[in-house]
Amino acid sequence: LAKTTQPISMDSYEGQEVNITCSHNNIATNDYITWYQQFPSQGPRFIIQGYKTKVTNEVASLFIPADRKSSTLSLPRVSLSDTAVYYCLVGPPEYSSASKIIFGSGTRLSIRP
Amino acid sequence: EAGVVQSPRYKIIEKKQPVAFWCNPISGHNTLYWYLQNLGQGPELLIRYENEEAVDDSQLPKDRFSAERLKGVDSTLKIQPAELGDSAVYLCASSRTTSGREAGELFFGEGSRLTVL
Repeated sequence: LAKTTQPISMDSYEGQEVNITCSHNNIATNDYITWYQQFPSQGPRFIIQGYKTKVTNEVASLFIPADRKSSTLSLPRVSLSDTAVYYCLVGPPEYSSASKIIFGSGTRLSIRP
Repeated sequence: EAGVVQSPRYKIIEKKQPVAFWCNPISGHNTLYWYLQNLGQGPELLIRYENEEAVDDSQLPKDRFSAERLKGVDSTLKIQPAELGDSAVYLCASSRTTSGREAGELFFGEGSRLTVL
């Protein structure tokens, strides 16, 4: 199983760029890296997914070095509404083996005015 | 597009009572998941369905938990009898069946919060 390690919590201020790093030393060749965001009293929501190098969408960027043993979720210009728990997941494509995808405890991001 | 719908949102019961949660996945999503989330923890998979077949229920405590997905659409998760330690949020998620190197995306409902007294 590809286990992930990420900081328990992070604090930042509005307008700042926030980078959350996730370690996944045992990532398998066909594993993808996926980040989810969860607000209180809601289910997790997909943010971004990547396999290698850099992926960018309207919400965030995902940086993956060549060895793929870590990844960094980058949130540009955060606002108070970005306060949430962020989960880094590593697993095979197709989600055919969902049991091998572990959410972990995530990173609690707190944004202050 | 309607999201994953779960009910009830909240349920309070006394221990040893039965409880059931219902989930309606996104239309066209063949795969349905039930997760359990304890306070301060990430979701943990209980069971995964491919259409009406439970393909992974290794984490489901079968002595008191049961699930069904008749006709491969809606699903129900039941606990009987409930114990104090079952207090948690029960999340339902669905995804499309993907192939090749495309990784799937899970779409979660808002969850059903269970409190066992």
